[in-house]
Amino acid sequence: SQQGEEDPQALSIQEGENATMNCSYKTSINNLQWYRQNSGRGLVHLILIRSNEREKHSGRLRVTLDTSKKSSSLLITASRAADTASYFCATEGFGNEKLTFGTGTRLTIIP
Amino acid sequence: GAVVSQHPSRVICKSGTSVKIECRSLDFQATTMFWYRQFPKKSLMLMATSNEGSKATYEQGVEKDKFLINHASLTLSTLTVTSAHPEDSSFYICSAGRGSPEQYFGPGTRLTVT
Repeated sequence: SQQGEEDPQALSIQEGENATMNCSYKTSINNLQWYRQNSGRGLVHLILIRSNEREKHSGRLRVTLDTSKKSSSLLITASRAADTASYFCATEGFGNEKLTFGTGTRLTIIP
Repeated sequence: GAVVSQHPSRVICKSGTSVKIECRSLDFQATTMFWYRQFPKKSLMLMATSNEGSKATYEQGVEKDKFLINHASLTLSTLTVTSAHPEDSSFYICSAGRGSPEQYFGPGTRLTVT
């Protein structure tokens, strides 16, 4: 069963605006990762945040993690048309490398 | 680095036949490989985890006799869908890990069973 729920399921914004996606999970985690998937393609790792971290930045990406609320957010600033894709959060528990994926957010950037 | 390939990218087969999908880590040795299934506009569902030289660990509800996984080397894992049926039509994605938390994903294989 899917552990992560993401919202919104779909998001359309104008190019240049910021996009925020949220992810909630149910059990304790070792880390949380965000991946991107272009239509019909594999996934690309974007950023990882460990359970003892609260915020992380990478280029135009900003990820937050609130372990007390079991939630994370991904912010993409100054969006570009090329950011159009599906974005998934994935959690890794303790003791194995298995990832549990969220339901995903389909992001569309309107030029 | 950390490139994972899958072959074939697309395959159409007739009901009742078997199909093999290969997953290769091209520039690193993968300690673990994972097989996922993805339905249209849905998330990834982990099917099984495989380690080189040992039997794969299947997730609950995944038939191991239906989805045969072989992890013959540190750079190659194969998934064979046996006696395929139309409901097996899906997008199958592999990923490889090399001890770090990130997984490196292949481009996926779209299987259509007619």
